[in-house]
Amino acid sequence: DAGVTQSPTHLIKTRGQQVTLRCSPKSGHDTVSWYQQALGQGPQFIFQYYEEEERQRGNFPDRFSGHQFPNYSSELNVNALLLGDSALYLCASSPETGADTGELFFGEGSRLTVL
Amino acid sequence: DAKTTQPNSMESNEEEPVHLPCNHSTISGTDYIHWYRQLPSQGPEYVIHGLTSNVNNRMASLAIAEDRKSSTLILHRATLRDAAVYYCILRGPNSGGYQKVTFGTGTKLQVIP
Repeated sequence: DAGVTQSPTHLIKTRGQQVTLRCSPKSGHDTVSWYQQALGQGPQFIFQYYEEEERQRGNFPDRFSGHQFPNYSSELNVNALLLGDSALYLCASSPETGADTGELFFGEGSRLTVL
Repeated sequence: DAKTTQPNSMESNEEEPVHLPCNHSTISGTDYIHWYRQLPSQGPEYVIHGLTSNVNNRMASLAIAEDRKSSTLILHRATLRDAAVYYCILRGPNSGGYQKVTFGTGTKLQVIP
C-alpha cells in the first residue's frame, strides 16, 4: 500500500516564478493538508482540503493556493516566488472520519529552492 | 491558541529509556496531545496520542499528568534509529482547530552508541 507520495522531490526556481507541487494521499484518505518547513524549524500549516474545498487555512498570503481533485489528490501553487519561500513542502493525508484526532500520514516532501 | 514547550535537545545512551517532556499549561479540556517525530530527510511520523489516560503502543508510551498541563513521551529502549526531532502537539478547538496542526521547534534527540 503506497503511502503519501509527493512530486517533484526537488526543484529550483527563480524569484517571481510560479510553482506547482503535487500530492497523492494514502489509499482510503480523503483529506489533504499542506505544510511549509523552513530549515531548522517545525512544519507550518498552510491549508487543508476536504471534498475539493479549502476547509482551514494558516497564516499564509494569497500567493499560496491549492486544489483538490475528485480522486483526492492535491496541488499546492505558489505565485510570485520570494527567496523566503525556499523550504520543504510537506503533504499530509488522513481519513475524514479521523480528522479530529487521528493520525496524519506525511509524505517525504518537495524541497523548493528559490534563487 | 494553546502552546507547547519542549527542550531544544536531549541525549540518551543506546538501549536506555528516554523520557521526553512537554509542557502545555494552557491546554483545554478538549485538546488532544499528539507526538510526532521527524527523522533526517523525511516527513514527520506519528508516534502516539492521548487525551487524559496514559497510552501505550508498539513505538512508545505517553504519560499524561493528572492536571494535563504536561506530558512525557517514553521510549523504553532507545535505538540509533530513534535519533530524530520529536514534536509535542495539541489538537483541538482551542489549538487552532482539529484540522490545523501547529508544530513547535521540537526536541532533537541524540542517541549515543
